[in-house]
Amino acid sequence: DIQMTQSPSSLSASVGDRVTITCRASQSISSYLNWYQQKPGKAPNLLIYTASNLQSGVPSRFSGSGSGTDFTLTINSLQPEDFATYYCQQSYSTLYTFGQGTKLEIK
Amino acid sequence: QVQLVQSGAEVKKPGASVKVSCKASGYTFSSYNINWVRQATGQGLEWMGWMNPNSGNTGYAQKFQGRVTMTRNTSISTAYMELSSLRPEDTAVYYCARRVVGIDYWGQGTLVTVSS
Repeated sequence: DIQMTQSPSSLSASVGDRVTITCRASQSISSYLNWYQQKPGKAPNLLIYTASNLQSGVPSRFSGSGSGTDFTLTINSLQPEDFATYYCQQSYSTLYTFGQGTKLEIK
Repeated sequence: QVQLVQSGAEVKKPGASVKVSCKASGYTFSSYNINWVRQATGQGLEWMGWMNPNSGNTGYAQKFQGRVTMTRNTSISTAYMELSSLRPEDTAVYYCARRVVGIDYWGQGTLVTVSS
């Protein structure tokens, strides 16, 4: 299986900050990388698909980039509702895998 | 609107099996794969496998091979995930989810508790 490694595992930031979360694949996955946000007690929510495409309804402060093995999720001007856990997921292989998650907390 | 509605919480003893259902509405059920993802309390997301509702083809994560079976009943737009030989570490919330490009719609989750 393709392994996905996110960094950092946790992150403290303030409202208005710009933050970046990194996801690395154990082999090249082209652009088949998706990002999700999850809040406590809720199902995940798709933010970005195929590395850089914003899902409908997701605010434009979220953006994604990368290809091959290295990817980033950037959140510009953090809002209070953005404090959550973020996961990357590869869909290059028919057997998908998630990263371990990055918890974004309020500083 | 697209909805995935899952069956209710289950409590099972070690060694037993559990079958979770996921009823789809608001779209053509056979058009998109259904994925199953689980999450233990305080832990990350764990992808279990996928099923093509049109063909019935499946793909399972290596960890669950031999223990998981994903099926469907297209006449009632419902997908099923059965996990056998349950152990306490299978205690988790199990989600069904629709995959278009990314996984865009999720069920509400079903808590499965494995305890003697």
